[in-house]
Amino acid sequence: LAKTTQPISMDSYEGQEVNITCSHNNIATNDYITWYQQFPSQGPRFIIQGYKTKVTNEVASLFIPADRKSSTLSLPRVSLSDTAVYYCLVGEGYFNKFYFGSGTKLNVKP
Amino acid sequence: DTAVSQTPKYLVTQMGNDKSIKCEQNLGHDTMYWYKQDSKKFLKIMFSYNNKELIINETVPNRFSPKSPDKAHLNLHINSLELGDSAVYFCASSQDWYEQYFGPGTRLTVT
Repeated sequence: LAKTTQPISMDSYEGQEVNITCSHNNIATNDYITWYQQFPSQGPRFIIQGYKTKVTNEVASLFIPADRKSSTLSLPRVSLSDTAVYYCLVGEGYFNKFYFGSGTKLNVKP
Repeated sequence: DTAVSQTPKYLVTQMGNDKSIKCEQNLGHDTMYWYKQDSKKFLKIMFSYNNKELIINETVPNRFSPKSPDKAHLNLHINSLELGDSAVYFCASSQDWYEQYFGPGTRLTVT
């Protein structure tokens, strides 16, 4: 089971771009990289998923280098409402036991 | 319409009691999950059902028993509750394995 390492917390200001990096050195060939967001007192919410290179959706971008041993979640122009915990997960398939880890607590300041 | 709902939202009970948490999803998903989030915010998967069949059964005490009467429902029954069972329990569902939809959580407090 590939584990992930993320910074415990990050601070940012409104309007800035935020990049959260996740390390997953023992990622398997079939593993995908998935990011979730969790607001206080709510369940996690899916943000984005990728396998290699770059993936972009209306919420975020995900950058994955060629060796896939790390990934970076990029949030463009954050607002106060982006204050949350962000989890990086790796795995594949229904039998995958998603390991959420401790996540990165992002604090966006005015 | 709530996609994944859980009842109750809060549950306070004494040690030794038996309690159940119910989960329902109206997304038509085939797979449902139970997660436990402890006070340190670590979120751990407990069980997963696919079309009413148990496919993931993590190492949890056998006091925890999931039941899936149909693919839209996944209930969690806990026997002989202990102090260490206090946590927030999340139900989730998915059609694609990676995009899980979580319920609002049930905060269980055992006194």
